[in-house]
Amino acid sequence: GAGVSQSPRYKVAKRGQDVALRCDPISGHVSLFWYQQALGQGPEFLTYFQNEAQLDKSGLPSDRFFAERPEGSVSTLKIQRTQQEDSAVYLCASSLARVFRTDTQYFGPGTRLTVL
Amino acid sequence: GQQVMQIPQYQHVQEGEDFTTYCNSSTTLSNIQWYKQRPGGHPVFLIQLVKSGEVKKQKRLTFQFGEAKKNSSLHITATQTTDVGTYFCAGLSGTASKLTFGTGTRLQVTL
Repeated sequence: GAGVSQSPRYKVAKRGQDVALRCDPISGHVSLFWYQQALGQGPEFLTYFQNEAQLDKSGLPSDRFFAERPEGSVSTLKIQRTQQEDSAVYLCASSLARVFRTDTQYFGPGTRLTVL
Repeated sequence: GQQVMQIPQYQHVQEGEDFTTYCNSSTTLSNIQWYKQRPGGHPVFLIQLVKSGEVKKQKRLTFQFGEAKKNSSLHITATQTTDVGTYFCAGLSGTASKLTFGTGTRLQVTL
């Protein structure tokens, strides 16, 4: 079937605006991850879901960042009152197994967020 | 917190030359994964290593996991222009749930 999809692919926001980024994981995948990738850097972990449960949100940089996956499928990453330092590519990845550490993560194409 | 460094940061080779990137973790890893990211693309999973001293091969790519499970390497034999991209290692340690990506090595291959 289809891979991980993300929307929008590009988002330009004015500083202070709220944004919502969507991730559609591969159907049936239990685990879902959000990463932030700054230009020229490796992806940095933000948060992890197992079905609808958010098991780890230790990577969220501030309380302006919020993620949800209410029905255990689609996930939304919301950033409130965006700042210029939030400009980055936001990557979503999903994996099949519950025991994620032994399983391949499949990445979506990312959403490139630019905050002016 | 856990840090994963890669060297070199950038390497430019001529097609046919070999290439190696090294990955070093500040903590012992339970497993390590390697990803390739083409310019403008997203990371694509290449392989996972779990056992101490493990070596895996994929065609021209050879992956190693160190005996102490704190370092790893990726070696490409006879590079091709299709190998261009950034190679990331990513590790899990202990009971941590998050995958920590390395700093990446950008490979440029010219004819």
